[in-house]
Amino acid sequence: DVKVTQSSRYLVKRTGEKVFLECVQDMDHENMFWYRQDPGLGLRLIYFSYDVKMKEKGDIPEGYSVSREKKERFSLILESASTNQTSMYLCASSLAGATRGTQYFGPGTRLTVL
Amino acid sequence: EDQVTQSPEALRLQEGESSSLNCSYTVSGLRGLFWYRQDPGKGPEFLFTLYSAGEEKEKERLKATLTKKESFLHITAPKPEDSATYLCAVQKWSNTGKLIFGQGTTLQVKP
Repeated sequence: DVKVTQSSRYLVKRTGEKVFLECVQDMDHENMFWYRQDPGLGLRLIYFSYDVKMKEKGDIPEGYSVSREKKERFSLILESASTNQTSMYLCASSLAGATRGTQYFGPGTRLTVL
Repeated sequence: EDQVTQSPEALRLQEGESSSLNCSYTVSGLRGLFWYRQDPGKGPEFLFTLYSAGEEKEKERLKATLTKKESFLHITAPKPEDSATYLCAVQKWSNTGKLIFGQGTTLQVKP
């Protein structure tokens, strides 16, 4: 079974703090993704990575950065957390290749910024 | 503009009352269409991938179908444990694995 784990299920931070969200997958997937999910807005892609040290901006990258130093690990960084970054954060991974686009998701991190 | 629209937004069924969820899409160059199930406070769980018009896939009480414009998720004789939000997403050939998600349909099945 594909396993994607996220470092925390719930997180509460203060405005201005630097926040790290970590995602680990155990299936040797090349692609990894970070989304946020908000009521009425659905899932929105923040960043994705198709290889170690490679990254691409998604639809809403402002206020976020990412790091992928190892194939299995993809970190999302909020440089200076703000209240509008309160959200559910979801990590996903998938194999690369023409017919292997299925993304498998982690359990999510509910982040609250006070 | 690429778009994925799911309907209805919410659906209430009695246990055993079959129905269908709709996912209509407008994308150029469809690589695949994906269905996920999401329980409250959890990550989406993969259900099906459909690649070409006419394709069908089944899993227990769920059957997904695909045409050139839309996909249906048919739920036969649902049970309360089928209550969840069902998400549809499409992937384009040019998108390096990225998915475009619909807003989801929240299904509630009452005993």
